[in-house]
This record gives sequence, C-alpha cells and structure tokens, in this order.
Amino acid sequence: EPEVTQTPSHQVTQMGQEVILRCVPISNHLYFYWYRQILGQKVEFLVSFYNNEISEKSEIFDDQFSVERPDGSNFTLKIRSTKLEDSAMYFCASRGNTWTSGSGNEQFFGPGTRLTVL
Amino acid sequence: GDSVTQMEGPVTLSEEAFLTINCTYTATGYPSLFWYVQYPGEGLQLLLKATKADDKGSNKGFEATYRKETTSFHLEKGSVQVSDSAVYFCALLSSGGYNKLIFGAGTRLAVHP
Repeated sequence: EPEVTQTPSHQVTQMGQEVILRCVPISNHLYFYWYRQILGQKVEFLVSFYNNEISEKSEIFDDQFSVERPDGSNFTLKIRSTKLEDSAMYFCASRGNTWTSGSGNEQFFGPGTRLTVL
Repeated sequence: GDSVTQMEGPVTLSEEAFLTINCTYTATGYPSLFWYVQYPGEGLQLLLKATKADDKGSNKGFEATYRKETTSFHLEKGSVQVSDSAVYFCALLSSGGYNKLIFGAGTRLAVHP
C-alpha cells in the first residue's frame, strides 16, 4: 500500500542553524501539507501546497519557513534559522484529487520528523 | 473560524470497559469529520471518518456518528483493549481553501488490564 515517507526521523540542530525536512508524498497525489505538533500539544496546520505554489499558510508559517517540491517527488520544509520553539514533531501529509481519488478528501500522513533545537 | 473541542484527558479505563470521547465542532457548512489515533512514538493514523450528516464511521470496533444538530462526532467503543492505549484526535476538514485539517487538543486514553 502506498505511503508517505519522511526523513530524517529525528533531527537535532543548534539554534540559528538551517534545517530541511524531507517528505515523499504518495506518487499520484496533488495536494501537500505540513503540520507540526509541539510535545504534548495538538497538531497544527502550517502550510498547504498545490500546483507548485503555496495555497494556504498559517500564522506560524512566517518568513523563516519555506516549502519546495524540487523534483516532482520530494516535498521539503526548510527552516532558515531555527529557534528553540521550533522543536516539535513535523508531519507531512498528501491527498489526491477529491473527485477522482478513491480516497476522496482523506489526507495521508507520514510518520513525522522529530526536530530538536538546542 | 473553524474549531474542534475535545474532552480533556487522560481517560483511564479497565480492559473491556466502554469508551466515549466527546468531540464537538464549530464550522461553516458541513465539513468532513475524522478521528485520528497516535500510538506512542508513532505518527497519525486515520481511525475513521464521516463526510455528511448522520454518517457513521467505523473501524476496529470504534464508531462515531456525524450529528449536525449537536455539531458532534463522539468516538465510542464497546470494549476497549490495552492495545487501544493511545492519543485520539478529532479533526475537521475546513471547507475553504485547500482543505486543511483542524485538530482538537487530543485525548490520551490509558487502558489497564
């Protein structure tokens, strides 16, 4: 069964460093998302991406964040200068076309990348 | 804006007990509703969903019915097992834009033998 994959599973970085989190969505999916979950808190939407551009972003997704689909398969989240409060689990998700996909509007989540900023 | 409210946890039950986790929502229109489960150290897994009023989603013995009159989507299971211990998240699919998921705070369930 197709699945969303994410690498690395755990990333440790120093404050102020740049990090890139990688995701490989399900191959025929068209819509891509990043969410984050600070330890013990709820899952929060960061950004959605469709047709090679950001379609919606939350207040959390400030100028330090960017997303890219560099090669048609990977979907990346970059944090330019990490802060302590960026420590969280970051989830990538994807979904297919609502009308043609057998899964309708369901989003499929990857296993997450735990980011620890020291 | 759209929001989801879940009952606070943790919920502690003995094996074979009946489970209810309450979830209510605020949204424009009639959004699709979901329950996700997060087992310790793992990511989010879709447990069940309902896309319109009066739909009942079910999976692995869990059920939830989309009630538009009470804007609720409570999760139930008749007989829980130790292996059901996890955090359960209620979520709605926002109707605008590109359908982001809006999650509740999560409810931690601990089932003891």
